[in-house]
Amino acid sequence: QVQLQESGPGLVKPSQTLSLTCTVSSGSISSGPYYWSWMRQHPGKGLEWIGYIHYTGSTYYNPSLKSRVSISVDTSKNQFSLKLSSVTAADTAMYYCARFYNRNDESAFDIWGQGTMVTVSS
Amino acid sequence: DIQMTQSPSSLSASVGDRVIITCRASQTISTYLNWYQQKPGKAPKLLIYAASSLQSGVPSRFSGSGSGTDFTLTISSLQPEDFATYYCQQSYSSPRTFGQGTKVEI
Repeated sequence: QVQLQESGPGLVKPSQTLSLTCTVSSGSISSGPYYWSWMRQHPGKGLEWIGYIHYTGSTYYNPSLKSRVSISVDTSKNQFSLKLSSVTAADTAMYYCARFYNRNDESAFDIWGQGTMVTVSS
Repeated sequence: DIQMTQSPSSLSASVGDRVIITCRASQTISTYLNWYQQKPGKAPKLLIYAASSLQSGVPSRFSGSGSGTDFTLTISSLQPEDFATYYCQQSYSSPRTFGQGTKVEI
């Protein structure tokens, strides 16, 4: 069963760039109709889709964050990464990586990492 | 963006109760609707995809229905492990959006 694991700093200073990596295990990031995704959840709030990437490098971002977001993939390491620039306290959240499958008339986030809490504070 | 609105925002129920959660999309999304369960401190878990298909390993007491703009998640007989927050999510168009969640409490 494919597993996802987030890693990265838990504390980022305001105006700096948040950087997280998701490692995919027990499966190849380069196979299947999958898009490798980032989501976040502010404390006590709902879920927000940040964006996703296909292993070919095609990216799709939420317009609300598009100017600050970059998602990349490293197929040799079976990893994909998130960079969010110019962070503020409003970017403090739990960040999840997830697999999004898209085939025929079905598409959903079917596998999730456990999440990593990122706090923006000086 | 397609707005997803769930109701109620929270509900109190007892073990064995039938629970129904509704989700309404701001425009038609066919059956591109998924349901997730999230327990405190855990990642969301996919329960239902394509409005009514049960994800592998999910108990049959969970079911989904609907198409167009109105959808429901039904738990036929609430179990202790079902106390959680439930989210709907549309996959019809980008950006992918979620409902605000429904917290099922004792």
